[in-house]
Amino acid sequence: NAGVTQTPKFQVLKTGQSMTLQCAQDMNHEYMSWYRQDPGMGLRLIHYSVGAGITDQGEVPNGYNVSRSTTEDFPLRLLSAAPSQTSVYFCASSHKLGGSYNEQFFGPGTRLTVL
Amino acid sequence: GDSVTQMEGPVTLSEEACLTINCTYTATGYPSLFWYVQYPGEGLQLLLKATKADDKGSNKGFEATYRKETTSFHLEKGSVQVSDSAVYFCALNNFNKFYFGSGTKLNVKP
Repeated sequence: NAGVTQTPKFQVLKTGQSMTLQCAQDMNHEYMSWYRQDPGMGLRLIHYSVGAGITDQGEVPNGYNVSRSTTEDFPLRLLSAAPSQTSVYFCASSHKLGGSYNEQFFGPGTRLTVL
Repeated sequence: GDSVTQMEGPVTLSEEACLTINCTYTATGYPSLFWYVQYPGEGLQLLLKATKADDKGSNKGFEATYRKETTSFHLEKGSVQVSDSAVYFCALNNFNKFYFGSGTKLNVKP
């Protein structure tokens, strides 16, 4: 199993450009999520999904869109990049155990810089 | 809303010293609690977890006990090694959302 994969590893954008961060998992997990990691602030939840066709907002959803057309894929779209979106982005997946979501498996991250 | 607060770092210890990283949480209901570890340039990995009050999670010599009365989940290790140097995150899961603390960097010197 490849686990959770993310592409690209690094990306530089100019203000106003759009792009999609890719995330895929091969563990048949129903739960997938996107986080951003900023110095001194830990990880903050952007969007999450509990299954194909279902998405919901996290703590910091503004400026980001997601969709979940398949169990495996959960892309994150930046429609008009801003310097405040410079961060490291992590995708994670999880499955239910005993009625609640359990351990999250994280991808290696995407380091995004917006100039 | 739900949140996690953990002690600020960095924490610098000598090899074989005792470690405690404090973590407290605010949450409605009955969250599950986790400690994750992040090594440089990598994603987070689960270190240990506890799903109900008084549960003790343990792994690789690390331990944490879910204390509902004090809303705490402190991470402890009796004897740290240089290889334990990393950033440690306390986290909770409640109603399908995960919340993370800001992370505590641990430096262990030989």
